[in-house]
Amino acid sequence: AQSVTQLGSHVSVSEGALVLLRCNYSSSVPPYLFWYVQYPNQGLQLLLKYTTGATLVKGINGFEAEFKKSETSFHLTKPSAHMSDAAEYFCAVSEGAGNNRKLIWGLGTSLAVNP
Amino acid sequence: DAGVIQSPRHEVTEMGQEVTLRCKPISGHDYLFWYRQTMMRGLELLIYFNNNVPIDDSGMPEDRFSAKMPNASFSTLKIQPSEPRDSAVYFCASGLRTALHFGNGTRLTVT
Repeated sequence: AQSVTQLGSHVSVSEGALVLLRCNYSSSVPPYLFWYVQYPNQGLQLLLKYTTGATLVKGINGFEAEFKKSETSFHLTKPSAHMSDAAEYFCAVSEGAGNNRKLIWGLGTSLAVNP
Repeated sequence: DAGVIQSPRHEVTEMGQEVTLRCKPISGHDYLFWYRQTMMRGLELLIYFNNNVPIDDSGMPEDRFSAKMPNASFSTLKIQPSEPRDSAVYFCASGLRTALHFGNGTRLTVT
C-alpha cells in the first residue's frame, strides 16, 4: 500500500533562509508525486508535480523538488524564504495508472517564516 | 476561469439537521473529489467521480453521507442527519489528468 510521511509537522525558518520540507513515500509502482500548499482559509493549490522524466521539478513561487527513487524521497526546497511562504504544505502520492486518481496525503508541514 | 466554486462558505447547523454542500467544478474537468479536513485526521478523501460516475466511495464515513453528480457542472454532498463530529472543512476538487484544483471549502459547524 502507498503511504506518505512528512517529517516535521512544524518548520520555522528566517526570512531569506533555505526552506527544506521533507517527504518520503512508499509505493509498489512508479509513483506520481505532488506538493500542494494551503494558505489560511483557502483550498490547496498545486506547487509542483513529478510524473515522469526529469527528476528535478520546478514549481511556482521559486519552489523545487527532486525525486530520488533510491531514497524514496521527494523533498521540497526553496533557496530563500519569503514571509508570504508561511502556509501549510502537503506532500501526496498516487499510483498514476489508468483511471485511478486517488491521492495518498501526508499530514502536512506548517511553515513559519520569521522576520 | 472562475475555479472550483463551493457553497456555502460557512454553514452552522444543529445536530439532526440535513446539510447540503454544493460544488461547481472547473468546466472540462472529468474528475471530481470530495474531501474532509480536520485537525485530528488531516485530509480525508470521501468520494470521487469520473465523468459523473462514482468511482470510489470507500471514504464516506457512514450512510448518513451521500454524494451525487447529476451532470458535469454540479455535485452535492449531503449529510442527513448531521452530528457534531461532522464538523470540519469540506473541500471539493476537480481535475483533468494529474493535478487537482481545490475550491475554498465549506466550513461546517454542527452544534
